[in-house]
Amino acid sequence: NAGVTQTPKFQVLKTGQSMTLQCAQDMNHNSMYWYRQDPGMGLRLIYYSASEGTTDKGEVPNGYNVSRLNKREFSLRLESAAPSQTSVYFCASSSGSRTDTQYFGPGTRLTVL
Amino acid sequence: KQEVTQIPAALSVPEGENLVLNCSFTDSAIYNLQWFRQDPGKGLTSLLLIQSSQREQTSGRLNASLDKSSGRSTLYIAASQPGDSATYLCAVSGFQKLVFGTGTRLLVSP
Repeated sequence: NAGVTQTPKFQVLKTGQSMTLQCAQDMNHNSMYWYRQDPGMGLRLIYYSASEGTTDKGEVPNGYNVSRLNKREFSLRLESAAPSQTSVYFCASSSGSRTDTQYFGPGTRLTVL
Repeated sequence: KQEVTQIPAALSVPEGENLVLNCSFTDSAIYNLQWFRQDPGKGLTSLLLIQSSQREQTSGRLNASLDKSSGRSTLYIAASQPGDSATYLCAVSGFQKLVFGTGTRLLVSP
């Protein structure tokens, strides 16, 4: 099993460009999450999807949109990238149970010039 | 709003030492507390998960404790090894959401 996969691993954008980060999980998990990690700030939740067909805002949703394409896939879109969105983005999934942990992908390192 | 603090931010120890990492949180209404490990340039790996009704969890050389009433958790690493060098993150779980601390960067020297 691959677990949680993310593409791309690295990306450089110019201000104003758009892009979509892809995430897929093969663990039949109900819940999926997008985080960003910045130095000194820890991981912050951008959006999450508790189940297929639902999405909710996290702590820092401004400038992002998400799509839960199906149970396996959860994408994050930057419509007009800004330098403040330079970060490492992590996707995670879980069963949604209180007793279960979240499983993380390897991350996407995004630089916006 | 839940806030999670980890002290120290960085720690350097010689191999073989026992060490303690600290985590504190402001809101005791949590479902569970989790400790993760992050290697440079990598994703997070779950180490231990303590349910809100539990006091501690153990896995090999790792032992995590939880005192929900005081808003504190500790991660104890016994007989540290160079392979333990990584960043350790504490996270508390509310409904469907994890709130993370900023981590403790650990370096274990041979």
